[in-house]
This record gives sequence, C-alpha cells and structure tokens, in this order.
Amino acid sequence: QSALTQPPSASGSPGQSVTISCTGTSSDVGGYNYVSWYQQHPGKAPKRMIYEVSKRPSGVPDRFSGSKSGNTASLTVSGLQAEDEADYYCSSFAGRTDWVFGGGTKLTVL
Amino acid sequence: EVQLVESGGGLVQTGGSLRLSCVASGFTFSGIWMSWVRQAPGKGLEWLANIKEDGSEKSYVDSVKGRFTISRDNAKNSVYLQMNSLRAEDTAVYHCARVSVGSFDIWGQGTKVTVSS
Repeated sequence: QSALTQPPSASGSPGQSVTISCTGTSSDVGGYNYVSWYQQHPGKAPKRMIYEVSKRPSGVPDRFSGSKSGNTASLTVSGLQAEDEADYYCSSFAGRTDWVFGGGTKLTVL
Repeated sequence: EVQLVESGGGLVQTGGSLRLSCVASGFTFSGIWMSWVRQAPGKGLEWLANIKEDGSEKSYVDSVKGRFTISRDNAKNSVYLQMNSLRAEDTAVYHCARVSVGSFDIWGQGTKVTVSS
C-alpha cells in the first residue's frame, strides 16, 4: 500500500500544455485500468477529472486527457487556463478492494 | 442533487474515540460501495476504508487496521467511520466518497478531526 509517485510541482503558461505523471507498480497502476485523476482547489473537496485511465466525466473540459503506459499514468492539461491552477492527485485500484493515491502535484499557471 | 454530507469531527485527546457520519442523498445508496478518504494538513489524499453495498465486505489501509471500523446503514443512507485509539497523526479532514466506475466520483466536503494531547 505505498503511495503512487507524482512530481510535487508542475507549471506552464496560459495556453500551453502540461503533463503530470503518476508512477506505481504492476500491483496497482500497471495491473488495472482503474486509474483516475482528481483536481482539488484550496479548501475544496476533490473533483474527479478522469476515470478508467482516459475517460472524462460529463462537464469536464476536453482539455483534460489521461493515458497510461506500463506502470505510469499521465494527466495532460492542454490550453492551460488560470482556473486550472490546483492540486492534482492520481489514484489507482490496488487489488482485492484496496485503493491508493499519489502524493499530489501542485500545478501553477504562470 | 447527488450529495454527501459528513459530520462528527472535532477535537479529541490522544487515545480517544470519535465516530464520523456521512449521509447520502440523490442516488440509490444501497447499490454503491462507499469509502472514507482523509487529508492531513498540507498533505495529500489517503484512502482509508471501503465498504460493499450490503456491508458484507470491508477493507482498510494498514495504518488504520484494528483501530478504525467502517459500517453503513442503508435504511438511513449513511456510512460511518468509528475511530478508536486516535493518534496525533490521525489529525486530518475526513471525506466520504462514492465509489463508481473504478473511481471516487462524488465527494463530501469533509469533517475536520484534530487529535491533541
């Protein structure tokens, strides 16, 4: 039950693209297609942005996309906007009925 | 409106107990797995526990096994987290979350727990 590994920070200018990685093991990220991503603004509850690696819930802009290769999942935010500045967390199913989160990445829009 | 509302947080002494509640509305509660997730001050999210639709299966992260117990009452659309032997490191905001399509799709705003000596 070790946390998934995310970079502590990421940044980009408005209009640019930024990608956040999430590295796990074959027992979680690499073993299942149940990787999801969450956006959290200060003082707010997390909001699901991506589920099942690359699916976007209704209402989430198509600027947000997800992918996975081996034990690493990625969230890409294209056309950065000021309101995208937030903390982002990945999560993965980890077998049996367990789940694990990443340590979080603070995204700054320069 | 689909909603989760937590309550029961507060200040408790080290070694004490607290019971958190989460009331669901706007969806068929009895057909959904539910989870508790916490966030310590300035830290990331930590999954704590899961409970199956009928309460027959439960799972926990190692750090709370034997101290925390998740339960539910489908008649009251509620899920609970009984927390015993609380430690300073349990200080956090505790969220309940709905488990759906391999992710946590609905979150409550959270209830704050402070453990102090």
